[in-house]
Amino acid sequence: DAGVIQSPRHEVTEMGQEVTLRCKPISGHDYLFWYRQTMMRGLELLIYFNNNVPIDDSGMPEDRFSAKMPNASFSTLKIQPSEPRDSAVYFCASGGWGTDTQYFGPGTRLTVL
Amino acid sequence: GENVEQHPSTLSVQEGDSAVIKCTYSDSASNYFPWYKQELGKRPQLIIDIRSNVGEKKDQRIAVTLNKTAKHFSLHITETQPEDSAVYFCAASIKSGGGADGLTFGKGTHLIIQP
Repeated sequence: DAGVIQSPRHEVTEMGQEVTLRCKPISGHDYLFWYRQTMMRGLELLIYFNNNVPIDDSGMPEDRFSAKMPNASFSTLKIQPSEPRDSAVYFCASGGWGTDTQYFGPGTRLTVL
Repeated sequence: GENVEQHPSTLSVQEGDSAVIKCTYSDSASNYFPWYKQELGKRPQLIIDIRSNVGEKKDQRIAVTLNKTAKHFSLHITETQPEDSAVYFCAASIKSGGGADGLTFGKGTHLIIQP
């Protein structure tokens, strides 16, 4: 199994630009989570999906952030417009029904100049 | 919502000694407590977890204990080795049946193993 796949691995963009982060969960997993990691705030849950349906988006910082899961094998996290304070590592994780473990992807390091 | 406090933020121990990291949680409904290890530049990886119906769980050199009444849980690493050096995160969530929930993480503990 390839594990959770994220792209791009690194993204550098300028303030005001749109950023799209992508995630492919482990095949067969029902749950997909988006987390953000910064030095100041640590690891934070942004949103999670169950069977492609958003369940809890209370962690999404503001309207500039949106996430979609059009099918079981793909999710996107979009930031529009991006700001310097969005600079962070964004992790996607997936998990299966009946299993406890959440498996993390390698992360996308986002830098907004 | 849930709040997880983790202590200490940095822990330095001699190789071969034991290390203990402690966490407290606020939501009494939380029933799943995983611990993740994160090496520099890498993804968090699960090392051990415990459900609230169990008081202790052990896997070779690592163990986790849970006190539901006091709402705290701890990670114990014995006979520490250089490869144990990393940042360790505790987390909590509410799991119903076979379902999952998002994790609330502590701020992390940077464990340093001194040779």
